[in-house]
Amino acid sequence: KAGVTQTPRYLIKTRGQQVTLSCSPISGHRSVSWYQQTPGQGLQFLFEYFSETQRNKGNFPGRFSGRQFSNSRSEMNVSTLELGDSALYLCASTLGTGPGANVLTFGAGSRLTVL
Amino acid sequence: KQEVTQIPAALSVPEGENLVLNCSFTDSAIYNLQWFRQDPGKGLTSLLLIQSSQREQTSGRLNASLDKSSGRSTLYIAASQPGDSATYLCAVSDGGSARQLTFGSGTQLTVLP
Repeated sequence: KAGVTQTPRYLIKTRGQQVTLSCSPISGHRSVSWYQQTPGQGLQFLFEYFSETQRNKGNFPGRFSGRQFSNSRSEMNVSTLELGDSALYLCASTLGTGPGANVLTFGAGSRLTVL
Repeated sequence: KQEVTQIPAALSVPEGENLVLNCSFTDSAIYNLQWFRQDPGKGLTSLLLIQSSQREQTSGRLNASLDKSSGRSTLYIAASQPGDSATYLCAVSDGGSARQLTFGSGTQLTVLP
């Protein structure tokens, strides 16, 4: 079955712009989590969605937001981009309940460059 | 606040060697611990997940142990191969969700042919 699909894979934006990243989870997976990976801070948790509801949020400013649709696809949005937002954004999906609920399957990521 | 440390940061070994990667965490109140590998420019691949009540997990040439009371985990790789070259990341879940992970900074492994 298809894995976790993230689009776009690469994008370049300028400071002050906004960006929307998309994540399509594995079929049947209801939980989607987002992580930011940078050379300086490593991997950091952004937020998790389950059945269209945000379950948890990491320590990021309000410029970072997300949502999940009824088909479990998720989007994250970053507004008023800053140079420090340049990163690899990774999405992961899980079943969310039952056996294997906590085994995360990651997508290949969306690499954002802010100029 | 949970902190995860991985030692060493980088490791280079000849093919065929057995090796151990170390991970330590500061707060023992975890749901589980997971080991991942990341190939350059790619996402993460889950290798092993150890529930907080378990002591170890095995998959093929990989064996991961967990000592929750001392805040330590090790990943043992037997008979290393050049294809094992990657960055290995340790992550623990705590706080609000078993899927909210705190990652270590990783060990970059190079297996020389």
